[in-house]
Amino acid sequence: DVKVTQSSRYLVKRTGEKVFLECVQDMDHENMFWYRQDPGLGLRLIYFSYDVKMKEKGDIPEGYSVSREKKERFSLILESASTNQTSMYLCASSSSGTLPPYEQYFGPGTRLTVT
Amino acid sequence: DAKTTQPTSMDCAEGRAANLPCNHSTISGNEYVYWYRQIHSQGPQYIIHGLKNNETNEMASLIITEDRKSSTLILPHATLRDTAVYYCIVRLYSGGGADGLTFGKGTHLIIQP
Repeated sequence: DVKVTQSSRYLVKRTGEKVFLECVQDMDHENMFWYRQDPGLGLRLIYFSYDVKMKEKGDIPEGYSVSREKKERFSLILESASTNQTSMYLCASSSSGTLPPYEQYFGPGTRLTVT
Repeated sequence: DAKTTQPTSMDCAEGRAANLPCNHSTISGNEYVYWYRQIHSQGPQYIIHGLKNNETNEMASLIITEDRKSSTLILPHATLRDTAVYYCIVRLYSGGGADGLTFGKGTHLIIQP
């Protein structure tokens, strides 16, 4: 059974703290993604990675950075957390190749609250 | 990616087939139709995808009209665990699969006991 795990389901941090969200997949997937999901705004892509040490900005990268030192692990870093980063954070992975479907497998999500 | 239109919500009785429509009238010839769902407080889950032909897997069936302007996701025997928001997406992949997903508002399917 495919598995994407995230380090925490719920997290509460203070404004200005550095926050690390970890994601691990056991499917040997090349692609990994970080999204945030907010009511009324839907799913928005923050960053993605198509290989170890490779990263690309998504639609809303400001205030975030990522790290991918190993194929199975993709970390999202909030350099200095702010209240507008309170959200549900979702990690996903997919295989690469020349043809679809490239379905993405999601983790359970981390609900981050910044106070 | 082409825009999709789905009903905001639907009800279905447990044990009956749930038919979820999706309109994608501006779909282009090489865009795929995908369905995902999201159960409350969980991450989204891939269900099925198709290009032209009807498709079936262990979770659902996907019926795509001949002109490809609309499709229907069918859950053949809905259970209470199928209560979720269902998202229909139309995507053109450039290769490699490293493309982010964009969900619309989806259809909130409520399975009634």
